[in-house]
Amino acid sequence: GAGVSQSPRYKVAKRGQDVALRCDPISGHVSLFWYQQALGQGPEFLTYFQNEAQLDKSGLPSDRFFAERPEGSVSTLKIQRTQQEDSAVYLCASSGSSGGEQYFGPGTRLTVT
Amino acid sequence: QKEVEQNSGPLSVPEGAIASLNCTYSDRGSQSFFWYRQYSGKSPELIMFIYSNGDKEDGRFTAQLNKASQYVSLLIRDSQPSDSATYLCAVLTGNQFYFGTGTSLTVIP
Repeated sequence: GAGVSQSPRYKVAKRGQDVALRCDPISGHVSLFWYQQALGQGPEFLTYFQNEAQLDKSGLPSDRFFAERPEGSVSTLKIQRTQQEDSAVYLCASSGSSGGEQYFGPGTRLTVT
Repeated sequence: QKEVEQNSGPLSVPEGAIASLNCTYSDRGSQSFFWYRQYSGKSPELIMFIYSNGDKEDGRFTAQLNKASQYVSLLIRDSQPSDSATYLCAVLTGNQFYFGTGTSLTVIP
């Protein structure tokens, strides 16, 4: 079946702009995770949803970052007033169960100029 | 101390050899362990997961877990040039997955 999809694949934003990144998880997957991956680093946890509930947002780096999953399926990661240090690949992953293996989407590469 | 530590490499092995990738983790309460492969410019792809002490084999891949030593490894037998990638170790602790920085593997034809 279809895997995790993310859009856009690439986004260039001017410093100070707001951006919204979308994730469509694998159908039926209850758990959804967002990660930030800088060049040469492993993915860093941002936030976790189980269905529509955001159970952990401890990894969000500042209050400019906001994530939602209102109907327990598609999720959006929003970054307000983007800064250059926000430039990274943002990965979404879904899992069929809490604590189960995760499957990643292709990522969104965000470049803030 | 980082939650998950990996040697960044690069690790180079000749084609057909065994590649051994290692990972240590800091939290004794960690309950599940995963290996992902990431090609340059691509997203991580799940290779294997292991929950219990011992070995788990899947084709050319073997994951080994030693909870007493807080150590996870991945062995790749009969390494192929297509195995050249960065290998990420991930550990589930509570609700959070912690990833290492990855080990870069190059298989030389």
